[in-house]
Amino acid sequence: EVQLVESGGDFVHPGESLRLSCAASGFNFGDFWMTWVRQAPGKGLEWVANINLDGSEKNYVDSVRGRFTISRDNPKKSLSLQMERLRGEDTAVYYCARGAWNFDLWGQGTRVTVSS
Amino acid sequence: EIVLTQSPGTLSLSPGEGATLSCRASQSVSRSSLAWYQQKPGQAPKLLIYGTSSRATGTPDRFRGSGSGTDFTLTINRLGPDDFAVYYCQQYGSSPYTFGQGTKLEIK
Repeated sequence: EVQLVESGGDFVHPGESLRLSCAASGFNFGDFWMTWVRQAPGKGLEWVANINLDGSEKNYVDSVRGRFTISRDNPKKSLSLQMERLRGEDTAVYYCARGAWNFDLWGQGTRVTVSS
Repeated sequence: EIVLTQSPGTLSLSPGEGATLSCRASQSVSRSSLAWYQQKPGQAPKLLIYGTSSRATGTPDRFRGSGSGTDFTLTINRLGPDDFAVYYCQQYGSSPYTFGQGTKLEIK
């Protein structure tokens, strides 16, 4: 089955770190750019970061640049998002999605809550 | 950053009717790099339209995307019960790849 499955979401305090993972199956993971998109509670969608096929190019939205790091492991068909110095405004459901610019396959999301 | 403004915020229609959803960009979207997604409660978004007017795999031909420059439209003909959801437009012509705030299509 073609799917993406996220994990790693949790409740953390401001300033703490968290690592999200996304496991891909059913397609040639190494042939696709991958992206993280988030959705704050009751809000719309926000593009967070993307990564090219071999991990040599990474792009971030300004609000996370320098705090978040996207990475991938093609042999393991895995995408990651390392999040540092988390803030309340990072609270959201985080989705991994297939594609560089528009996204034709999404995971079910993993919830991150940042609160004191 | 390109800001996308969707209208209306909520659209109340009956099954069988047609829907017109608007997405206006704060500056021209290059290369018609505009997509539409459908999201139902508790679910991930689903790609409907990319490249302004190309239907994604599995998108019924009742869904039609159009527009250029700063004004884009998603038209849905003959609304079915499964079409009531939130719809987002997204531009990917320039980074960051921004989304509109969504239009909720609800049953009247």
